[in-house]
Amino acid sequence: AQSVTQPDIHITVSEGASLELRCNYSYGATPYLFWYVQSPGQGLQLLLKYFSGDTLVQGIKGFEAEFKRSQSSFNLRKPSVHWSDAAEYFCAVGLYSSASKIIFGSGTRLSIRP
Amino acid sequence: DVKVTQSSRYLVKRTGEKVFLECVQDMDHENMFWYRQDPGLGLRLIYFSYDVKMKEKGDIPEGYSVSREKKERFSLILESASTNQTSMYLCASSLSSGQGRQPQHFGDGTRLSIL
Repeated sequence: AQSVTQPDIHITVSEGASLELRCNYSYGATPYLFWYVQSPGQGLQLLLKYFSGDTLVQGIKGFEAEFKRSQSSFNLRKPSVHWSDAAEYFCAVGLYSSASKIIFGSGTRLSIRP
Repeated sequence: DVKVTQSSRYLVKRTGEKVFLECVQDMDHENMFWYRQDPGLGLRLIYFSYDVKMKEKGDIPEGYSVSREKKERFSLILESASTNQTSMYLCASSLSSGQGRQPQHFGDGTRLSIL
């Protein structure tokens, strides 16, 4: 069955430090992959997506993610975090279906240390 | 930009009440979704709709129903609210083309408390 695993429930990094959030998926074919961010009290906002081609994808707010088929991973990175990046981050995989269903990971909460 | 609007940000209801959560999108999207979000459990799909008057159960449909009479509007109904339905409810919409490539666009959520 398709699944998405985010092994880190909560991560704290210092402002200005680099960030990597981990995501592993289980899917039978080349997946459609997404990263979303949810600020407190808000809905989810799309950060970036991967369908095919270049395995390093750029997103909004300075984020990037790398698809590694051999590791079934799609980790999110940012070279230097800002206090405003504190939020919850969700990795997701899109299913081949007419209704464009998406399976979400359980999320990683990011805190920023001043 | 896609706009998904949920009618209430916060809602407090009593056990046994019939509760309606409304969601409207302005981008002519075919698909609409209702999720609930609970700490540690991520987003769980309750129901989705791929066309007017068409609906399918998601992973946790028990205790809920939905209505989609117009393309832009998707309602979630709690037939008889219970305390275990206290949660954050998120509505989303997406285009149907692309077989899974389409990202979903989310509203800001409704935080529902059942007393």
